[in-house]
Amino acid sequence: DGGITQSPKYLFRKEGQNVTLSCEQNLNHDAMYWYRQDPGQGLRLIYYSQIVNDFQKGDIAEGYSVSREKKESFPLTVTSAQKNPTAFYLCASSSQGGSYEQYFGPGTRLTVT
Amino acid sequence: GENVEQHPSTLSVQEGDSAVIKCTYSDSASNYFPWYKQELGKRPQLIIDIRSNVGEKKDQRIAVTLNKTAKHFSLHITETQPEDSAVYFCAASRVDDYKLSFGAGTTVTVRA
Repeated sequence: DGGITQSPKYLFRKEGQNVTLSCEQNLNHDAMYWYRQDPGQGLRLIYYSQIVNDFQKGDIAEGYSVSREKKESFPLTVTSAQKNPTAFYLCASSSQGGSYEQYFGPGTRLTVT
Repeated sequence: GENVEQHPSTLSVQEGDSAVIKCTYSDSASNYFPWYKQELGKRPQLIIDIRSNVGEKKDQRIAVTLNKTAKHFSLHITETQPEDSAVYFCAASRVDDYKLSFGAGTTVTVRA
């Protein structure tokens, strides 16, 4: 069940601290995505990257930052500017965009107190 | 941008009965409509998808229908089984766009 991994599974932080969530894939996919999942709100796109060294904001990018220095890795930083950071974060990848299947990681549940 | 609405938010069915989930979308240029299933504690996985050049697609007990004129599409699950209990998400995008817009999800519970 490899392919795309996220770590850690659970993460706890104090308010005011930045935290970085890891996402790695060995599927040789060009595109990678970060979603936030909240109860009753589905999956909301934070950032996506079509190719190495390139990324675009999704629908809820405020308070988040990303980098894509390697094809395999797409880390997400939740900054102290994010008003409600406590959520379940899902990373995904696809061989290309558009109508190509997105493969999801197992997710990281972030709790900020 | 694209706005996808999904109904109902929860659905309880007797084992063996059918389940139907409906989604509407706002962007008439959207032409790719996947459905993802997320079992409790697991990651979402693609179960079926449809492109705008077809009106219906079937895969065993699962089917999806698309009405482009009305901008809505539906997931049909027949002969439901306990393993069909999960959260189902519809989504929409343009084929040439990387952004996939998801509905809010439907929690399906199959009663034994």
